[in-house]
Amino acid sequence: GPKVLQIPSHQIIDMGQMVTLNCDPVSNHLYFYWYKQILGQQMEFLVNFYNGKVMEKSKLFKDQFSVERPDGSYFTLKIQPTALEDSAVYFCASSTGGARDEQYFGPGTRLTVL
Amino acid sequence: GDSVTQTEGLVTLTKGLPVMLNCTYQTTYSPFLFWYVQHLNEAPKLLLKSSTDNKRTEHQGFYATLHKSSSSFHLQKSSVQLSDSALYFCALSANSGTYQRFGTGTKLQVVP
Repeated sequence: GPKVLQIPSHQIIDMGQMVTLNCDPVSNHLYFYWYKQILGQQMEFLVNFYNGKVMEKSKLFKDQFSVERPDGSYFTLKIQPTALEDSAVYFCASSTGGARDEQYFGPGTRLTVL
Repeated sequence: GDSVTQTEGLVTLTKGLPVMLNCTYQTTYSPFLFWYVQHLNEAPKLLLKSSTDNKRTEHQGFYATLHKSSSSFHLQKSSVQLSDSALYFCALSANSGTYQRFGTGTKLQVVP
């Protein structure tokens, strides 16, 4: 079936550094999402993106976070600067339509902030 | 605002027994409900979805019925297998909003 890819699978960085998480969504999908999951707990919505713009973001999407998808390339989540509480697994997802369509998730990027 | 509640954090069952994982929701809009399954170290995958009241939907031996009268979408299976051990998330899409709201998840542990 359709696959969402995420690069890297693991990232370890020092607190205060910048990190960029990359997502290669399903090719014909138009809606993109980032979720944060701490240690097998709840999947928490961060942000979604459509037509080059952020549509909605949650309280977890701090000012240090940003997303973009320049020219149909990777859909990226940038955190600058990172904090200890940013340690989590970040899942990217994409869908053809909006929130009522099946979302396809990537395998996640495990981010560890030291 | 919209919300999803999954009351069980962990369910442990012996192989072959039936299971029901609870999911209730709150919204003032017409709901779409989803169940996702996440196996260890894997991405969540869609298991079931429904927006039709009182209609049973099935996939891979799992089934659920959306009951708008009780705001519920419980996930069931008549006979669990070891391979069903995973984290199960219920999710809601309701208003004209743009994302699915996930419950806290239920870990299903099937033992021999």
